[in-house]
Amino acid sequence: DTGVSQNPRHKITKRGQNVTFRCDPISEHNRLYWYRQTLGQGPEFLTYFQNEAQLEKSRLLSDRFSAERPKGSFSTLEIQRTEQGDSAMYLCASSLDSLEAFFGQGTRLTVV
Amino acid sequence: AQSVTQLGSHVSVSEGALVLLRCNYSSSVPPYLFWYVQYPNQGLQLLLKYTTGATLVKGINGFEAEFKKSETSFHLTKPSAHMSDAAEYFCAVTHSGGATNKLIFGTGTLLAVQP
Repeated sequence: DTGVSQNPRHKITKRGQNVTFRCDPISEHNRLYWYRQTLGQGPEFLTYFQNEAQLEKSRLLSDRFSAERPKGSFSTLEIQRTEQGDSAMYLCASSLDSLEAFFGQGTRLTVV
Repeated sequence: AQSVTQLGSHVSVSEGALVLLRCNYSSSVPPYLFWYVQYPNQGLQLLLKYTTGATLVKGINGFEAEFKKSETSFHLTKPSAHMSDAAEYFCAVTHSGGATNKLIFGTGTLLAVQP
């Protein structure tokens, strides 16, 4: 197992475009989290899945953001009509009913 | 609600010197505490965690941290800094009663190690 994988690693997009990121968690990990990290800040929680069910969403997750985890395996995070304020590192983490969350390397989004 | 405060956004030490990174937490329930390290353009790697039991916890790369309930602190230390320790360090809190175990992070401390 190679750990949590995120693609793409970097994404540059024009304001107003839609983007989608993918996260492949560690096999058999039932919990999956998305966090956002802006420059000089710690990661902030966005949303949480247990298996395929999205059980919690942060107020940071505006209606332009949507996340899915079909079949409880990989997850996607889509941002519609991107804004410059969406520029950040998007981190995915997974865990198996434990407190130890394993993080991916992140997707860095730049909105120009 | 839970929160974490990391005092000192930048810390600089000489190679071989003691590393001390400060973390104070706020939690209305017994906390679970973590330290993560992040290298440039990388994800986060768990250094160590405190859940219950022994309040002095040892982690990877020679780091350790002590949970002090009376001081609401969980400071990270390493007796002798190495050049490879230069990175950003994040303290985080969660608790056992939550349904999600989501992590609440501090703003991070950037550690520089001078030769």
